Amino acid sequence: DAGVIQSPRHEVTEMGQEVTLRCKPISGHNSLFWYRQTMMRGLELLIYFNNNVPIDDSGMPEDRFSAKMPNASFSTLKIQPSEPRDSAVYFCASGPGTGAPLHFGNGTRLTVT
Amino acid sequence: GQQVMQIPQYQHVQEGEDFTTYCNSSTTLSNIQWYKQRPGGHPVFLIQLVKSGEVKKQKRLTFQFGEAKKNSSLHITATQTTDVGTYFCAAQSGSARQLTFGSGTQLTVLP
Repeated sequence: DAGVIQSPRHEVTEMGQEVTLRCKPISGHNSLFWYRQTMMRGLELLIYFNNNVPIDDSGMPEDRFSAKMPNASFSTLKIQPSEPRDSAVYFCASGPGTGAPLHFGNGTRLTVT
Repeated sequence: GQQVMQIPQYQHVQEGEDFTTYCNSSTTLSNIQWYKQRPGGHPVFLIQLVKSGEVKKQKRLTFQFGEAKKNSSLHITATQTTDVGTYFCAAQSGSARQLTFGSGTQLTVLP
């Protein structure tokens, strides 16, 4: 089992640019979560999917953020346009069901200059 | 929404000393999980508690779930430098489908 795979590991971009983060959950897991981690705000849930359907996106900061899960093995988190305050580590996590333990990917460290 | 308070935010201990972190919720929880994040790493699941008053042990780590299912603790006996990291609780209440993470306790172990 390769675990949850995220790409890229690091992303440095200029403000105003579009950023796309990618995630491949563990096969068989039907829940997928996107988290953002900063020193100031800790781990924040942005959005989660169940069976590829977005269930709760109330944590998405604003319209610049969007997430998709076109199939059970792939999800993207897009920021357009990016801003310096979006700089953070973005984690994707998957789980086998509601309330089940989560498996986190290694994260994408995003720096927006 | 559901909130989970975790204290302390930081803890520095001498190697060999004990360490405890606490999580508290104003609502009754259906389950609580604990995760450890090493510096530069990602959160890794440690354990899940679901029963009132439950106590589970993993070597030097002891996890407790309160009788009212509103609080939990993680205790490490005789800390080692390998225990360094941030410990998070994550809770689910009956009405919520997702976990709410506490703010974490960052543990530093001084050799």
